Amino acid sequence: SQKIEQNSEALNIQEGKTATLTCNYTNYSPAYLQWYRQDPGRGPVFLLLIRENEKEKRKERLKVTFDTTLKQSLFHITASQPADSATYLCALEANQAGTALIFGKGTTLSVSS
Amino acid sequence: ETGVTQSPTHLIKTRGQQVTLRCSSQSGHNTVSWYQQALGQGPQFIFQYYREEENGRGNFPPRFSGLQFPNYSSELNVNALELDDSALYLCASSLGNSGPRDGYTFGSGTRLTVV
Repeated sequence: SQKIEQNSEALNIQEGKTATLTCNYTNYSPAYLQWYRQDPGRGPVFLLLIRENEKEKRKERLKVTFDTTLKQSLFHITASQPADSATYLCALEANQAGTALIFGKGTTLSVSS
Repeated sequence: ETGVTQSPTHLIKTRGQQVTLRCSSQSGHNTVSWYQQALGQGPQFIFQYYREEENGRGNFPPRFSGLQFPNYSSELNVNALELDDSALYLCASSLGNSGPRDGYTFGSGTRLTVV
């Protein structure tokens, strides 16, 4: 069955450093992959979408890579700030009718000042 | 442009009862998806509605049902509540049913507690 794994449940880094989060998937070839940010008690907020024919995508301090051979996406936050502390979710399109997303469990990032 | 609005924000129900959760989609969006998120887990797909028709369903029993109205708002109904139904229920809206171009817009969710 389709599976997404976000390797680290928690990541602690110092302000100013680059945070790198990993998302691996198996048994699927998604057309695109998405990253969301979720704060406690709130719904996920869309950050970036990357398609299978795109190697890299950037938005301000965020960068996402997509390696369909390794079946892996990396999510980078450069010059991290305490305000970046949140849970980051990776999601891919499910192989079924409709456009359901399969989410990973998320990685909780803590940026200390 | 309004976002996705869900009501109520919190709810406590007794096992065996029925519950209805509501969602108003973002202006211009015609597709609504519902997700269940247990504590410490990622959201799990329940079902999706596109133009008032169910357009895909996840691995949830028939006691989870839904509706979409002509204005694209939606309801999630859960019958015969079980303790394991306690979770954050998320509604997400998007445009079209062929895959989002810019991701989904999620509401803040309804926190359901079954006692």
